[in-house]
Amino acid sequence: NAGVTQTPKFQVLKTGQSMTLQCAQDMNHEYMSWYRQDPGMGLRLIHYSVGAGITDQGEVPNGYNVSRSTTEDFPLRLLSAAPSQTSVYFCASSGRTSDTGELFFGEGSRLTVL
Amino acid sequence: AQSVTQLGSHVSVSEGALVLLRCNYSSSVPPYLFWYVQYPNQGLQLLLKYTSAATLVKGINGFEAEFKKSETSFHLTKPSAHMSDAAEYFCAVRGGGYQKVTFGTGTKLQVIP
Repeated sequence: NAGVTQTPKFQVLKTGQSMTLQCAQDMNHEYMSWYRQDPGMGLRLIHYSVGAGITDQGEVPNGYNVSRSTTEDFPLRLLSAAPSQTSVYFCASSGRTSDTGELFFGEGSRLTVL
Repeated sequence: AQSVTQLGSHVSVSEGALVLLRCNYSSSVPPYLFWYVQYPNQGLQLLLKYTSAATLVKGINGFEAEFKKSETSFHLTKPSAHMSDAAEYFCAVRGGGYQKVTFGTGTKLQVIP
């Protein structure tokens, strides 16, 4: 059972370039989310989805787009990368039937924008 | 609105000493509370969770936390630190909103031999 899989693990971009961080889960979870982790700031919610076709903004959505066409996949798109988007990105999922909202995390994607 | 405050971004303890990591929360509804641990270059994994069933919650690796509503606290403790406990620990709260989880800024635990 793979759980939550993120790709790529590392990426270097130049300012203005675009890219997509991939996230896939095989636990049939309805809830999926993206966080960014920066030193001293903990994890901040970027976007989340409560099911296929439904997405919403989190705390820091600017500069990022998401879509949810299937239950399994929740890609995060950077349309025009900026140095301020240098960070470690985590995808996390949680099952709809969970009574606690426990999150299952991927291993992270480390992005550097030059 | 919901929020979490973790006191102390770095905590150092000697091996075998008590570990105490502090977490205070704010939530407009009865909260679910979590502690996650992150080892270097890894994702986060759940240590323990409070879901209103019992105020004293036991987790993995000998950690436990006590929910104190009057103090809005959910501090993490372990009686005797082990070298393998060195990691970053995050407190998190889920209050209002479907499954939205808010994290604290984290506490890095250093264990000194």
